[in-house]
Amino acid sequence: GAGVSQSPSNKVTEKGKDVELRCDPISGHTALYWYRQSLGQGLEFLIYFQGNSAPDKSGLPSDRFSAERTGGSVSTLTIQRTQQEDSAVYLCASSSIGGWGPGANVLTFGAGSRLTVL
Amino acid sequence: DQQVKQNSPSLSVQEGRISILNCDYTNSMFDYFLWYKKYPAEGPTFLISISSIKDKNEDGRFTVFLNKSAKHLSLHIVPSQPGDSAVYFCAASAPASKLTFGTGTRLQVTL
Repeated sequence: GAGVSQSPSNKVTEKGKDVELRCDPISGHTALYWYRQSLGQGLEFLIYFQGNSAPDKSGLPSDRFSAERTGGSVSTLTIQRTQQEDSAVYLCASSSIGGWGPGANVLTFGAGSRLTVL
Repeated sequence: DQQVKQNSPSLSVQEGRISILNCDYTNSMFDYFLWYKKYPAEGPTFLISISSIKDKNEDGRFTVFLNKSAKHLSLHIVPSQPGDSAVYFCAASAPASKLTFGTGTRLQVTL
């Protein structure tokens, strides 16, 4: 598509429920990233996918968080047993260049999924 | 441990004047710096970047300055326009390492 699409744009859930957030990156972009922004915080790295390589999961805050990327395209971020501190805007980004470095750091972000855990 | 700091959460500037957004970092391994701009309900968009081998990079009304000894960079917008009103994020990366973002500065350009 023309840009990075994320759904849902807004999600309100009760504490303890599971949620799934979806990201559809730009067609042909091999690298996909998930970040989140909590209130008053910067963008916090969560996970990174590059092609068929094992994902870099070093930013996932707990084992309640997981993500997959099917067919090198669409990605789903799953949060199990949601907690109130999970409330944040979850941002997906893609890049045509993988890895980390000057060109790869120019990411195209989606509009985000705002998650509110009551 | 906030390695990239934007100490001013907000800034208000009159249209036509210069906007200066500041960013400080602590990791001396950072060698590439970027500014992203974010409008409400949209994702951040890349604005301008600078490599540590330079001390200045200019793109139209936007100039980024890097002071490595002070571990400080700034974004200058001249002249400021109402459409520049947004949240600006500073970001940095070390070689083969992920981007680290600051907390953002909300710029309001007034008429």
